[in-house]
Amino acid sequence: DAMVIQNPRYQVTQFGKPVTLSCSQTLNHNVMYWYQQKSSQAPKLLFHYYDKDFNNEADTPDNFQSRRPNTSFCFLDIRSPGLGDAAMYLCATSRDGEGYGSGANVLTFGAGSRLTVL
Amino acid sequence: GQNIDQPTEMTATEGAIVQINCTYQTSGFNGLFWYQQHAGEAPTFLSYNVLDGLEEKGRFSSFLSRSKGYSYLLLKELQMKDSASYLCAVRDSNYQLIWGAGTKLIIKP
Repeated sequence: DAMVIQNPRYQVTQFGKPVTLSCSQTLNHNVMYWYQQKSSQAPKLLFHYYDKDFNNEADTPDNFQSRRPNTSFCFLDIRSPGLGDAAMYLCATSRDGEGYGSGANVLTFGAGSRLTVL
Repeated sequence: GQNIDQPTEMTATEGAIVQINCTYQTSGFNGLFWYQQHAGEAPTFLSYNVLDGLEEKGRFSSFLSRSKGYSYLLLKELQMKDSASYLCAVRDSNYQLIWGAGTKLIIKP
């Protein structure tokens, strides 16, 4: 089945120790997103890639970086995790048609990576 | 600023009907989405409205009034597995998704 796969599902790290989260998709979607979601809060968009074009949200801290080496894969790097970075990190994909955002543009999410910072 | 308002939590009884409201104030409007999110899991798509009116999909229906900046998700014949958070999201004029914090729905037997 076509899907969005995130690894690892659970990541425990120490304060300041770099972490990389991965996301792969078999949906052949051209847009990939990274969201941060804390308990009982709305998902917060960190970055998105429209094809190869990288889009950084204005309030995403520099501590967060992303890479998309090809259409199927995307990585989230947290260079120096702090206690406030403990959260669920959600990868999502969508297919955009003619013009950015045309159509329903439904997001398909991966199962998420839950990050704990000690 | 842009804002999505939903009740924080609702409780309903198995077999009953519940309506979850969502009001929004955004810079433009290009569609409204409802997602379901079980605890500790990723959101899954439920419905999409871009025109005024009711969209029905099985036990779930979603309504939109663009003039009022208002939507609701109606869940019928509630089942225990419907216990989850329900997230309302609006796509603004820049095609950015603005998310609500979600409504936690608790179903009691």
